[in-house]
Amino acid sequence: GNSVTQMEGPVTLSEEAFLTINCTYTATGYPSLFWYVQYPGEGLQLLLKATKADDKGSNKGFEATYRKETTSFHLEKGSVQVSDSAVYFCALRYRQGAQKLVFGQGTRLTINP
Amino acid sequence: DAGVIQSPRHEVTEMGQEVTLRCKPISGHDYLFWYRQTMMRGLELLIYFNNNVPIDDSGMPEDRFSAKMPNASFSTLKIQPSEPRDSAVYFCASSLGRDGYTFGSGTRLTVV
Repeated sequence: GNSVTQMEGPVTLSEEAFLTINCTYTATGYPSLFWYVQYPGEGLQLLLKATKADDKGSNKGFEATYRKETTSFHLEKGSVQVSDSAVYFCALRYRQGAQKLVFGQGTRLTINP
Repeated sequence: DAGVIQSPRHEVTEMGQEVTLRCKPISGHDYLFWYRQTMMRGLELLIYFNNNVPIDDSGMPEDRFSAKMPNASFSTLKIQPSEPRDSAVYFCASSLGRDGYTFGSGTRLTVV
């Protein structure tokens, strides 16, 4: 079936550290891939997306590259801030035109000053 | 736009009572989704609508759960009777076509 597996959390880093949150997927066909972020007490917000292989999504200093050969979409940021503390969700939409998003379990990130 | 509006933000109810959660999607969006979030199960899609018509309700856990979308600007998720294991955060989200979802802030439901 279609599924997303994320790096287990929680992840704790110091401010200005480099961040990687791993995400791999299983899907038939060519899914679109997404990263969502959830700040405390809020709903999920779209952070970035990529719709085909080798696409790079980027936003707010975060990046992720759609790697078909490794079925991965790892989230990276070169220098994290305390305000990046949140839960991050990787998700896929398993075929073009499909509306359902399949989410990973989420990775809680805490950045210490 | 005010985004996706959910009410109430918090709900505490006794087991056996009926609970109704409400959602107002973004104007013009044609898809509406109801998700449930728990620590144990993460985010689960319960049901989604397209142009007010339910498309997939395979995630609705039991007959105690029902959802309606009487018009393009309003949807409800009802649990009757409620049970303690229904305690979770319930999110509504809307989207236009194949764009990304916009989530509401959620309703935290506690059934005691």
